[in-house]
Amino acid sequence: DGGITQSPKYLFRKEGQNVTLSCEQNLNHDAMYWYRQDPGQGLRLIYYSQIVNDFQKGDIAEGYSVSREKKESFPLTVTSAQKNPTAFYLCASNLQGVNYGYTFGSGTRLTVV
Amino acid sequence: GENVEQHPSTLSVQEGDSAVIKCTYSDSASNYFPWYKQELGKGPQLIIDIRSNVGEKKDQRIAVTLNKTAKHFSLHITETQPEDSAVYFCAASGSHTGTASKLTFGTGTRLQVTL
Repeated sequence: DGGITQSPKYLFRKEGQNVTLSCEQNLNHDAMYWYRQDPGQGLRLIYYSQIVNDFQKGDIAEGYSVSREKKESFPLTVTSAQKNPTAFYLCASNLQGVNYGYTFGSGTRLTVV
Repeated sequence: GENVEQHPSTLSVQEGDSAVIKCTYSDSASNYFPWYKQELGKGPQLIIDIRSNVGEKKDQRIAVTLNKTAKHFSLHITETQPEDSAVYFCAASGSHTGTASKLTFGTGTRLQVTL
């Protein structure tokens, strides 16, 4: 079955560490997105990518970085510059062209310890 | 940019009653409005969507209405069941860059269906 796989489900980060969240899709979608979810704040866009080797900043990109070396993969790195990284991170993808609904992964919960 | 407001933040209904969640958006150029259901610890799932050339869309017990003039859209769930309990998010398509349609989400409504 096609879908989006995020790993790990739970991740713990020490102060000053960089961590990378994985997102893989086998839906043949061109566009991929990373959202951050905090209680009471909905989903906020971190980065998105329309094609391989190209990506754009979203509304809260500071302290995060991404890469898109393969169509199927869009990993997110939470750097030490992100001062409040504890959150639920969601990856999504959709078909090329506007106005298609997203397919979301099951999320990664990141906690700073 | 686009701004989406969603109300109420929590909603409790008795099983069998109807539930209505309302959203407003700011960008008159937005033309796609999906609704997502998120269960605890999971990613959101698309349950219904509507495009700006349509005023209403229905899928079994779920319906969405859109008023472009007033820039608001609503989710209606009839004959609610306990399994409808979840957090519901509305969204609107924001700026379009190439082929990516960035969605701006509301803050969510926690729906609880009581027996």
